[in-house]
Amino acid sequence: NAGVTQTPKFQVLKTGQSMTLQCAQDMNHNSMYWYRQDPGMGLRLIYYSASEGTTDKGEVPNGYNVSRLNKREFSLRLESAAPSQTSVYFCASSESRDRVTEAFFGQGTRLTVV
Amino acid sequence: QKEVEQNSGPLSVPEGAIASLNCTYSDRGSQSFFWYRQYSGKSPELIMSIYSNGDKEDGRFTAQLNKASQYVSLLIRDSQPSDSATYLCAVIVAYSGAGSYQLTFGKGTKLSVIP
Repeated sequence: NAGVTQTPKFQVLKTGQSMTLQCAQDMNHNSMYWYRQDPGMGLRLIYYSASEGTTDKGEVPNGYNVSRLNKREFSLRLESAAPSQTSVYFCASSESRDRVTEAFFGQGTRLTVV
Repeated sequence: QKEVEQNSGPLSVPEGAIASLNCTYSDRGSQSFFWYRQYSGKSPELIMSIYSNGDKEDGRFTAQLNKASQYVSLLIRDSQPSDSATYLCAVIVAYSGAGSYQLTFGKGTKLSVIP
């Protein structure tokens, strides 16, 4: 039972470089989320996907794009990385049929932009 | 903006005491509420979920929900040093449109249990 798997776990980028964070879940959940966590700021929602084929902006979407490739996979792309995007990124998934249930988190990606 | 508010702490309690963590939320339409625990450098893990007014107990943990006051709390009885962590309150905030919602977190309360 892998749950939610994120890759990579660590990444260092130079300003202006691009990269894609990968996320996959094996719990057959409909909803998936991308958060970033900065000291003193808590978890802030970047994008979420309520179901396969749909995506919506969260609180801090600027500088990011997402793709819900299928029900299992939800990727986050940084087209031109900036130092302000240095953060820990978490992917999560939850069920959302009768009601929205608890979210399960991946292990996180620690990203540094220099 | 729909918000979830928590005291950032740190909250220090002696070992064996009751720790009380509080959370308020702004969206009256919220229906689902969660408490997560996060150790330093780790991902959040679910402790409790609560959907109805009242208390819900699970071992040493009790979640309390009061929708009229827009208030949710977490009590930890017989606190242990291993409970030292940041506790995150999370609320489902609904938006217009079918199935459109966000899982919104508070900034977390840091709890220290002193041996």
